[in-house]
Order: sequence, then C-alpha cells, then structure tokens
Amino acid sequence: DAKTTQPPSMDCAEGRAANLPCNHSTISGNEYVYWYRQIHSQGPQYIIHGLKNNETNEMASLIITEDRKSSTLILPHATLRDTAVYYCIVRFGNEKLTFGTGTRLTIIP
Amino acid sequence: EPEVTQTPSHQVTQMGQEVILRCVPISNHLYFYWYRQILGQKVEFLVSFYNNEISEKSEIFDDQFSVERPDGSNFTLKIRSTKLEDSAMYFCASSVGARAAFFGQGTRLTVV
Repeated sequence: DAKTTQPPSMDCAEGRAANLPCNHSTISGNEYVYWYRQIHSQGPQYIIHGLKNNETNEMASLIITEDRKSSTLILPHATLRDTAVYYCIVRFGNEKLTFGTGTRLTIIP
Repeated sequence: EPEVTQTPSHQVTQMGQEVILRCVPISNHLYFYWYRQILGQKVEFLVSFYNNEISEKSEIFDDQFSVERPDGSNFTLKIRSTKLEDSAMYFCASSVGARAAFFGQGTRLTVV
C-alpha cells in the first residue's frame, strides 16, 4: 500500500500557483519523496524528488517539512497542460514505486 | 532528451495467445521495471529487473509472465496465454539506480 495521503482532487486557476499537499508521516530517514504526474493514460512523468532539503527544477518546487512528515509540490504558474493526476510517492533507493490514487488537479481557465 | 520507448502503442490479441511487449530503456540505465494500469485503476508494479535477473516481482507477475533483456538495448515482457483480465496499459520504466525512474508512453493491450 502507498505510504502517502493526498487529497483526491483540487482545482487551481490558470496562471496561479498550484500547491499540492502530501502526508507521509511514517517516512523513514533514508526514504525519498518523489512526485510524478499522469496526464490521461500516458506514462507517469517524473517531476521532482527530495530527501529533506527543498528542491526546485524547471517544472516545480518541492517543500519538505523539517520533520519530513509532509511535503508540498508547487507548480508556480499553472497552465491548462498541468491538468493531471499527481502522485506523491515515498521510495527507498531503487525499489519499486508504489502508486496510490493521487490528486486529480484541474486547472481552470 | 533521452526517453524510454515502447512498442507497439496498441496491441489487440485473442484470448490464449502469447504477446510480447517491447521496451527500449534509456541507454545508461541499469534498473528496469514493468507496471500495468487497468482502465480506471491505479498503476500497479509487476516486476523489477537488474543485472540480468528479476530483483522483485508482485503477486500479479505469475507463471504466465516473463521478462527478458535479449540484447543490450531491449527489455521485453511476455504474457504466455493472455486472459481478458490482462487488458491494460503496460508501462516500462528504467532508472540509473537510486534515482528517478522514467516511464515510457505505454502499450495498450486489449485481449478479446
């Protein structure tokens, strides 16, 4: 079973920042937090991952709380193409990714 | 940008037939995975493969399934005798190691 909890759905206005929360209260010290998204039935797309420091790349920012029990994925300027299901996954090393049901993010024009 | 390539994009097969789904992982990657997603359901792990052997498999990955890396570039999933319930999207993924896994666009398998 997935070790994370995410809201089932969220809406965000186009051009605004989308903030997607994730709880992972049982995360262990050497497990990373990964974020993927899936648009329609396409293959899951890697977004970002982190251990304990905040991370930023060209797609998004990842904010991890100091106790590492929760994190937030931030899409700074959401576009319609960001409409997708977003998955927060806790993973150790190169072990399998366990997908939950994710958050269905809808960007509203 | 390197990507994982899967062929075919869509395969229709008769129940009981064998199918082979093909994947070309990213060239310097060493870990390979197969996942599947039945329509409307979660993405489910099937198997992971490293150093020419299966490193982990799920309950779904029974004797009807097998994986192979026949050469230096391809990674295949074979289903020996397909059932209606094998109809799903099948995704291949690869990673360098303890880093992000990258997924292909999938093969839609329809068993009739």
